[in-house]
Amino acid sequence: EVQLVESGGGLVQPGGSLRLSCAASGFTFSSRWMHWVRQAPGKGLVWVSRISPDGIGKDYADSVKGRFTISRDNVKNTLYLQIYSLRAEDTAVYYCIRDGDKYDFDSWGQGTLVTVSS
Amino acid sequence: QSALTQPPSVSGSPGQSVSISCTGTSTDVGLYNRVSWYQQAPGTAPRLIISEVTSRPSGVPDRFSGSKSGNTASLTISGLQAEDEADYYCTSYTPRHTWVFGGGTKVTVL
Repeated sequence: EVQLVESGGGLVQPGGSLRLSCAASGFTFSSRWMHWVRQAPGKGLVWVSRISPDGIGKDYADSVKGRFTISRDNVKNTLYLQIYSLRAEDTAVYYCIRDGDKYDFDSWGQGTLVTVSS
Repeated sequence: QSALTQPPSVSGSPGQSVSISCTGTSTDVGLYNRVSWYQQAPGTAPRLIISEVTSRPSGVPDRFSGSKSGNTASLTISGLQAEDEADYYCTSYTPRHTWVFGGGTKVTVL
């Protein structure tokens, strides 16, 4: 069974930094593209970033480019999202997602909440 | 990239059919057959229900179906059931190697 477990969320002051983690199990992590998607409270889904199986290919939404860095550790089966210069509008649940190989998102974690507030 | 356009809400009685539209442009929905749909029940993570416009993953009931015409994709729920009450989101891959979501549609079972 595919399992994706996010951690690292919490309350952060504006301008601060945070690293989110996603522990993956139940599949061959090193062979799959992985994504982050976020959802502000009461709002819709927004795609954030993706990373290739070897960790070299990376894409970002324009709204986060330059402030977010996606990475992975294929030995630890863990996906990361480093967030810098946090803003109030970054407040959201961040979901770790496995790429479904059909330009879709076939497995989702339960999400981790990031709250940016002073 | 602007968000795809979905109606904020649709409703229907049990057993009826409802459809949700997802309108994009010729550079996303209209360009590829790379539209997928997700169901999100309150307090839970989204779940994939349709991929590549019409493909239904294993375990998804066949009352869920997808289609596309031009720049608009659609999700139809036939034989609406109480457990189908949820938010539904469409998304499309774009030529910039990014994805754009719709704003979401709340389905209410009357």
